[in-house]
Parts: sequence; C-alpha cells; structure tokens
Amino acid sequence: DVKVTQSSRYLVKRTGEKVFLECVQDMDHENMFWYRQDPGLGLRLIYFSYDVKMKEKGDIPEGYSVSREKKERFSLILESASTNQTSMYLCASSLVRVNSPLHFGNGTRLTVT
Amino acid sequence: GENVEQHPSTLSVQEGDSAVIKCTYSDSASNYFPWYKQELGKGPQLIIDIRSNVGEKKDQRIAVTLNKTAKHFSLHITETQPEDSAVYFCAAADTGRRALTFGSGTRLQVQP
Repeated sequence: DVKVTQSSRYLVKRTGEKVFLECVQDMDHENMFWYRQDPGLGLRLIYFSYDVKMKEKGDIPEGYSVSREKKERFSLILESASTNQTSMYLCASSLVRVNSPLHFGNGTRLTVT
Repeated sequence: GENVEQHPSTLSVQEGDSAVIKCTYSDSASNYFPWYKQELGKGPQLIIDIRSNVGEKKDQRIAVTLNKTAKHFSLHITETQPEDSAVYFCAAADTGRRALTFGSGTRLQVQP
C-alpha cells in the first residue's frame, strides 16, 4: 500500500518565519504534488514535481517554493509566512501525472499568527 | 485552464437513501474524471474514476455518470450508510494537463 507521510500534523508559526513542510512517499512515484485545502475552495495546486530537481508552478504558487532533491521527498517552503497562508496543506504522489490515482498524505494544518 | 464547479456544498440524507453530487467542467479536452472521498482527519482517497470513452461506471453502491456533450459528471451513492459521511471531491483533467483540477467539495452527512 502506498504511503505518503507528512512530517507534521499541526504547525503554529509566526508571521515572517520561514516554514518547511516535508513529505515522503514510499512507492517510487515520479510525480509529487502540493495542494492547499480551504473551505469552499476545494484543493488548489501550489506546485508539483515530475522528477528529481524538476518543479512546475501550479495555480497558486505565490509565496511558496519547493525542493525535490530525492525522488521520495518533496518539501514545500514558505519563505516568509503570512496569515493568509493559514490552511491545510496536502501532499500527494502518483505513478503518472494525470491518469492514475493521487495518493494523499493526511495533511498538515498550518496556523500563522 | 480548467474550471470545475461542484454542487451541492452540503448534503444531508437519511440512511438508506440515495445521494447525488454533480460537477461541471469547462475544458472540452478533459478526459479523466476521478472522485475522491475525504474522511475526517485524513487525506482524500480515490473511490471511483471514469474516462471519456465511457458514459457510466459502477462499483457496488457507487456509480459515476458522464455527459461529455453537456460537460458534466455525477456521483451516485445508493443505500447510503453512516460510514459514507465524508467530504467528496470531483476532479477533471486531460492527459496533456499538468495535474488534476478539483471541485470545491461536498460535505455528505448520512443520518442514522
């Protein structure tokens, strides 16, 4: 069974802090994704990666960056956290980019105060 | 880009009744339509998907229908049970797209 592990379930950070959200998958998937989930807005794509060291912007990349140094690990970075980045962050992986199931982690709820 | 609209945002049914969730999409090139279920405290999980070369697909109590002409697709859950209570997301994409575009979600509550 595919396992996607997000390092923190809850995080509380202060405005202006640099924040790292970590995600690891154990199924050797090429593709990894970061989504943001907000009530009434569904899941919005922040960034994704289709190979090591490769990344592409999603629909809402502003204020975020990512790092993929190893195939199994995909990190989301908030360079300078702001209160409007308070949200649930979901990491996912998939075998192929679109036509295969996304396997999600259980999410990290980030609060920026 | 693709835009997916999902209705209703909340749905309450009695145990044993049917539930229907509807989605529309904007990009006629989209050809893959999955549905995800998110239980409390967990990430979404794929429950069923359909590709544009079929109009309907069933898996036990769950079915999905697709109308490509009207650009809408629906999730049907029959004989609902309390464990069906969750948030459901539809999504759409074509094979050339970068990633799935999700709808805004439907919170389904099944009353025992």
